[in-house]
Amino acid sequence: EAGVAQSPRYKIIEKRQSVAFWCNPISGHATLYWYQQILGQGPKLLIQFQNNGVVDDSQLPKDRFSAERLKGVDSTLKIQPAKLEDSAVYLCASSSTPTYQGAIHTYEQYFGPGTRLTVT
Amino acid sequence: QKEVEQDPGPLSVPEGAIVSLNCTYSNSAFQYFMWYRQYSRKGPELLMYTYSSGNKEDGRFTAQVDKSSKYISLFIRDSQPSDSATYLCAMSAYPGSARQLTFGSGTQLTVLP
Repeated sequence: EAGVAQSPRYKIIEKRQSVAFWCNPISGHATLYWYQQILGQGPKLLIQFQNNGVVDDSQLPKDRFSAERLKGVDSTLKIQPAKLEDSAVYLCASSSTPTYQGAIHTYEQYFGPGTRLTVT
Repeated sequence: QKEVEQDPGPLSVPEGAIVSLNCTYSNSAFQYFMWYRQYSRKGPELLMYTYSSGNKEDGRFTAQVDKSSKYISLFIRDSQPSDSATYLCAMSAYPGSARQLTFGSGTQLTVLP
């Protein structure tokens, strides 16, 4: 089974420029997530899609970040204009239908390798 | 105060040692607790998943949750150089790991051969 694919792996831009990241989830996974991981911190959820609809974008800085998941498969995350504090690794993850672990459902998230963004 | 606190390390141990990794949290609504392993320049991968208090064992890994103390631990027995990675704790108040996970900042572990 192929994993979550992301591109590019690395990107360096100047502040105020725009940038876009692409994610292809595991085939058949309905749920897709974008996380921001700043160096030395844990991932922070930016946006969650269920098929092509947004489930949670409460932590997405909507004045500069946007994301879409057309046709419920691939997704693109865009930053415009970029700021210095946007330097981070942007992780995409996907999950499928829940599985049982004892009496609870789990929704294991499979992460891609991430895109490392440096804003200068 | 952060919702989830995790000692960043770095932690360096000899091969074969028992490793103890810990997180504390402040949100008493958290019920679902996870440990992720993240190798350098890779995405996190789920290691252990536990619900409420208690222990869970999987091979060389044991996860413990003490909700009364708001403290969770991951123990690695017979540690191997391949265990060298950053370990992230994560927790949620909602069923499953999908929604509103709060991650710790990660502990960097190196197991020396």
